[in-house]
Amino acid sequence: EIVLTQSPATLSLSPGEGATLSCRASQSVSSSLAWYQQKPGQAPRLLIYDATNRATGIPARFSGSGSGTDFTLTINSLEPEDFAVYYCQQRRHWITFGQGTRLEIK
Amino acid sequence: EVQLVESGGGLVQPGRSLRLSCAVSGFTFENYPIHWVRQVPGKGLEWVSGISGNSKSVGYADSVRGRFTITRDNAKNSVYLQMNSLRVEDTALYYCAKELRSSDSSPDYWGQGTLVTVSS
Repeated sequence: EIVLTQSPATLSLSPGEGATLSCRASQSVSSSLAWYQQKPGQAPRLLIYDATNRATGIPARFSGSGSGTDFTLTINSLEPEDFAVYYCQQRRHWITFGQGTRLEIK
Repeated sequence: EVQLVESGGGLVQPGRSLRLSCAVSGFTFENYPIHWVRQVPGKGLEWVSGISGNSKSVGYADSVRGRFTITRDNAKNSVYLQMNSLRVEDTALYYCAKELRSSDSSPDYWGQGTLVTVSS
C-alpha cells in the first residue's frame, strides 16, 4: 500500500496570504497525484489531477507541483472560501488518500 | 449533467450484511471506472473499492477485502457494494465517484453519500 503523508496537519493563515501544502508518498507515484478540497457537509471537490493540472472550473490561484514522491499544492492569495480541508490522493496503484491538512482562518 | 446517487445505507447490526447502490447519469457509464470511498464523520477519506468499466479489474482496501464485493451493471448504469460481516468500524458515509478518464485517473465527480451505521 502506498502511504501518503501530508504536512502540516493544520495551517492557520489570513485571507490574502499564500498557502503551501505538502504531500509525500512512501514510494514513487510518478505524476499520478491529485488534490481535493472538502468543506463541511460536502463531497470532496477535485482541484488538481496528474500533479499539475487544474480541474475544470478551478481558479488559477490553485496550482500543483511535484513528481515521484514529493508534491505541493500552492494557493495564492487566499480567499475566504478557500478555508477547508485538503487531501492528496494517489492513483498509481488503486487509490489512497493522505490524512488531510486543515486550512483555517488565523 | 453528471450525477451519482448513492442509496442503501442504514442501521445494521454487527455481523449482518448491507448492499449499497450507486446510480449514475450524464456520461457514458461503461467507459469509466467507479470507486467507493468512505468517511467517518469528522475524519479523513478512505478508499474502499474500485471497478473498471468492463468489470475485469477490481480492487479492495485491506480493511474490507474478503468481506465486501463490488460489481456493476452497465445496462442499468449502476454500481453496487455488497458488504458482509459488517463491523462497528465500517460505520461511515459511503461515497461513489467516477474517474476523470477511462483508466488510472483520479475521481472527478462524487455523489453526496449514503450513511452506514453498524451498531447493536
